[in-house]
Formats: sequence, C-alpha cells, structure tokens
Amino acid sequence: SQQGEEDPQALSIQEGENATMNCSYKTSINNLQWYRQNSGRGLVHLILIRSNEREKHSGRLRVTLDTSKKSSSLLITASRAADTASYFCATSNSGYSTLTFGKGTMLLVSP
Amino acid sequence: DAMVIQNPRYQVTQFGKPVTLSCSQTLNHNVMYWYQQKSSQAPKLLFHYYDKDFNNEADTPDNFQSRRPNTSFCFLDIRSPGLGDAAMYLCATSRDTTGPISTETQYFGPGTRLLVL
Repeated sequence: SQQGEEDPQALSIQEGENATMNCSYKTSINNLQWYRQNSGRGLVHLILIRSNEREKHSGRLRVTLDTSKKSSSLLITASRAADTASYFCATSNSGYSTLTFGKGTMLLVSP
Repeated sequence: DAMVIQNPRYQVTQFGKPVTLSCSQTLNHNVMYWYQQKSSQAPKLLFHYYDKDFNNEADTPDNFQSRRPNTSFCFLDIRSPGLGDAAMYLCATSRDTTGPISTETQYFGPGTRLLVL
C-alpha cells in the first residue's frame, strides 16, 4: 500500500501567500523527503528530514516531522508563480532503502 | 554539470513492439532506479540496481526488464508494450552511504514519455 499520502490533493493560492502541504505515512521511517515536479518533468529534491529531527529550514521552505503522528508538513512562505508544481513526499525505511512516494499535492500559485 | 540524462524525451511505439529507454548519469552514483509515473499519480518504483545487483519490485510485470552495462548507463526494456504501459518513465540515481545511514536523496532525469499506439 502507498506509504505517503499528501493532503490536500490540490491547492490554489495567490502570490505572496504561504502554502502548506501535509503528508502522512504508515510505517516507521529513517527519513522523509520532499520533491517538486514541474509539469512533464522529472522530480527535484527539495529537503530531507531525518526521523530524529523535528524541523528543518531551507530558504523559503520549512519542513516539520512528527513521528508520533506519522506526519510531516511542508510550508512554502511568500509563494511565487514559479512555485507552481506538484509536490511529493517520499519515505525511506531504516538502513539502505528505496523511496516510497505519496500521491502528491498540486500547487497553483497565481500572479 | 553532473546530471542524469534520459533519451529520448518522447517515445512512440506500437502495441507489442519492443522498446528501449535509456538513462545515463555523470554523477558516478552506485544506485540507479527506474520509475513509472502515470498521469496525476505518484512515481512507482519498477526496479533498481545497487551497483551490478538487480532488485526487482514484487509487482513489476515480467514485461519490464532492465540492463546496466556499466556504472553510467541503465536501460529499460519493455518487451511487448501494451496500452496500459503508456506513461512517463523516470530514471533516478543515488549514492548509497552503506551502514545505518539510509539512501541519500535521489537525482532524477527529465523523464521519457512513452506513447503506445
């Protein structure tokens, strides 16, 4: 079964607003990663948070991880039209492991 | 710049006609992955190579095969494409650090969109 489930499935906001996407997963993880995918393109890694971390920042991105609730959130602050894309969370189990991707959130940022 | 390259970007094939998609990388990563992504869905892992070791996902159809002749190249062969195999195929790489540290982040190519007529 799918490991990660994003919420919401789609999000439409205005430039300058903040966008929050959530991800839930089912089993224990070693780390959780967020990727962005522009339409018809490959995925680009955004940020990785390990299971012993609770919050991480990278530029306008803020990721939180709550292992007790098996959930993560991605916050994009001061959004831009160029942030329009699909965002996927992906989880990795302990040790060497492949990634399992969630279904993604489609973000539309209007000028 | 170091990167993951996929050729072709668009591939049209006929129902039942074998097709090969290629991926190359200049990152010198030891792990290479093939994903299938259908419209508005998550990427689904088909298989991966850890160095020369091939690892097939349990639910990957036998119709899909892969070859990795060297570190830099990896191929996806679809022996008899069906209409349901039309999708974006994504190649990715990572460098495994071994031990208790899990796989590092994955680097994706731009994908090959396959159309089956």
